[in-house]
Amino acid sequence: QQPVQSPQAVILREGEDAVINCSSSKALYSVHWYRQKHGEAPVFLMILLKGGEQKGHEKISASFNEKKQQSSLYLTASQLSYSGTYFCGTEINRGSTLGRLYFGRGTQLTVWP
Amino acid sequence: DGGITQSPKYLFRKEGQNVTLSCEQNLNHDAMYWYRQDPGQGLRLIYYSQIVNDFQKGDIAEGYSVSREKKESFPLTVTSAQKNPTAFYLCASSYAGQGYGYTFGSGTRLTVV
Repeated sequence: QQPVQSPQAVILREGEDAVINCSSSKALYSVHWYRQKHGEAPVFLMILLKGGEQKGHEKISASFNEKKQQSSLYLTASQLSYSGTYFCGTEINRGSTLGRLYFGRGTQLTVWP
Repeated sequence: DGGITQSPKYLFRKEGQNVTLSCEQNLNHDAMYWYRQDPGQGLRLIYYSQIVNDFQKGDIAEGYSVSREKKESFPLTVTSAQKNPTAFYLCASSYAGQGYGYTFGSGTRLTVV
């Protein structure tokens, strides 16, 4: 039930764009995205609920394809501060596990000046 | 300001010892979670609780125990039965139910000596 993230790692120059993908074998209620800096706690970025709505703020956005059980995180015109490990977390439609997330293994993003 | 506090930041355990990791939140969240993070593995769920005096096992509960006597507190005990406890432990909280983002604590790094 752990979602699969790709790619495992991305290296960018400042100003370049990146896409991180998250795929599940289970029907999903929602997808969460988090960013973690080395040695720190993950920080919540956004949540996408059933309905396929694209959400985001500033230059980080995401989409959720409910039929394919996939989500993508888009980082546009990357900045040095975007560096870190990005995790997707998925909620599946099963009553006894309401609210718990299954996390992917993460995508390590490095932005160079 | 509301938040979630984990203590201690670093913890050293001798073979055969039980140790308890503290997690306290003042966000008025109903649900609390304990995750273990190992390099390259992502976040794996140990235990979670949606309500006071009730909790469920996650994917890797063996060798761990929890209690939820107060809404604000969700301590994790790593028992001597846990054969490989060295890891980074993260506590999180959220509103109960589906569709809410997690707030994570800053983590406890546990090392067996």
